[in-house]
Amino acid sequence: EAAVTQSPRNKVTVTGGNVTLSCRQTNSHNYMYWYRQDTGHGLRLIHYSYGAGNLQIGDVPDGYKATRTTQEDFFLLLELASPSQTSLYFCASSDADWGVNYAEQFFGPGTRLTVL
Amino acid sequence: QQKVQQSPESLSVPEGGMASFNCTSSDRNFQYFWWYRQHSGEGPKALMSIFSDGDKKEGRFTAHLNKASLHVSLHIRDSQPSDSALYFCAASPSNTDKVVFGTGTRLQVSP
Repeated sequence: EAAVTQSPRNKVTVTGGNVTLSCRQTNSHNYMYWYRQDTGHGLRLIHYSYGAGNLQIGDVPDGYKATRTTQEDFFLLLELASPSQTSLYFCASSDADWGVNYAEQFFGPGTRLTVL
Repeated sequence: QQKVQQSPESLSVPEGGMASFNCTSSDRNFQYFWWYRQHSGEGPKALMSIFSDGDKKEGRFTAHLNKASLHVSLHIRDSQPSDSALYFCAASPSNTDKVVFGTGTRLQVSP
């Protein structure tokens, strides 16, 4: 089974602070994703990537940057955190073909971020 | 923005009962559908996929897809307390690599 790990598992920061969330997958999947989960909104796609150096814009990208440094590692950056970014963040990976995405996604355990 | 609407928001069934979830997409380009389940404190995990019109059965789980009406459903027969979780449908269009998740349905199975 695909392994996706996230760190940290919990993070508290203040408004205006910088936060980096990390994700690593060990199954050489080409696609990686960042989602946020909020009650009433389900899972919303922030950014995703097809491979190292590639970045695609998701549905709720404002206030977030992301970088895919290697096949395994995908980072989510909040440079000026705001309370509205308090959420549960999930990373996922999948072995989809480029351009058409019908593959299963494998999710990490999540990072709970609180912005005070 | 492409959307996937799920209903109901929450559902309570007795142990051994049938649980049913519905999902309607907003875009006819959505062609590939998955159902995911998320237990409390964990990340979502895939239950099953359905890509063709009709029914697909895997054990106690049956998915149904009707592309003409943009509707997909999931049915769990003989529900168990361990099925208590949050259920998501996810849809992918045929013309992009984006995946859109629904808002989720929370299932509670009481012993």
